[in-house]
Amino acid sequence: DAKTTQPPSMDCAEGRAANLPCNHSTISGNEYVYWYRQIHSQGPQYIIHGLKNNETNEMASLIITEDRKSSTLILPHATLRDTAVYYCIVRGMIKAAGNKLTFGGGTRVLVKP
Amino acid sequence: NAGVMQNPRHLVRRRGQEARLRCSPMKGHSHVYWYRQLPEEGLKFMVYLQKENIIDESGMPKERFSAEFPKEGPSILRIQQVVRGDSAAYFCASSLSRETGANVLTFGAGSRLTVL
Repeated sequence: DAKTTQPPSMDCAEGRAANLPCNHSTISGNEYVYWYRQIHSQGPQYIIHGLKNNETNEMASLIITEDRKSSTLILPHATLRDTAVYYCIVRGMIKAAGNKLTFGGGTRVLVKP
Repeated sequence: NAGVMQNPRHLVRRRGQEARLRCSPMKGHSHVYWYRQLPEEGLKFMVYLQKENIIDESGMPKERFSAEFPKEGPSILRIQQVVRGDSAAYFCASSLSRETGANVLTFGAGSRLTVL
């Protein structure tokens, strides 16, 4: 699996957009980018995933650069409840990759009032 | 549609006892994964199972730990002769059986094991 690099921590203001970067310069053509988050003591929560195109759902937007070497998760209007550790994970398609997801250190996001 | 159900949520054991953690996957999901999170550390993959089969146990400690996912009933993570270092949060996840495409794992709330 391609390795990902995320800043260890970042702060963001409540009500503002939070932009979380992830570098995955060794990503291959059939690898997806997944984002999960873990709010303190809870189970990890799936946020969004993408392959090539930008994606948006009710939680967030995922912007993937054209060369796919990096991506940004955007929380459009951060709330205090978005304080969590955010994980960017790159993983190949199911049969080739063996299904499991490997979590790195993530970015610890603190939303401040 | 209930999510991934784990029980017990909290379990206290004395050193040398056995711990059994149960996981019921989401409806329609036939793949189960177990992860462990030690205090103040990251999530570490332990084992991946399909019904009646262990597919990947590369993260399982070689001794005292075992997992099963029987044809009927929940997946069980069993820890024999627990030691203090086994104190952790154990998370179960499940996913659909898919041959291609992305693989989204849905996680349970976790079982917190404390070994006295």
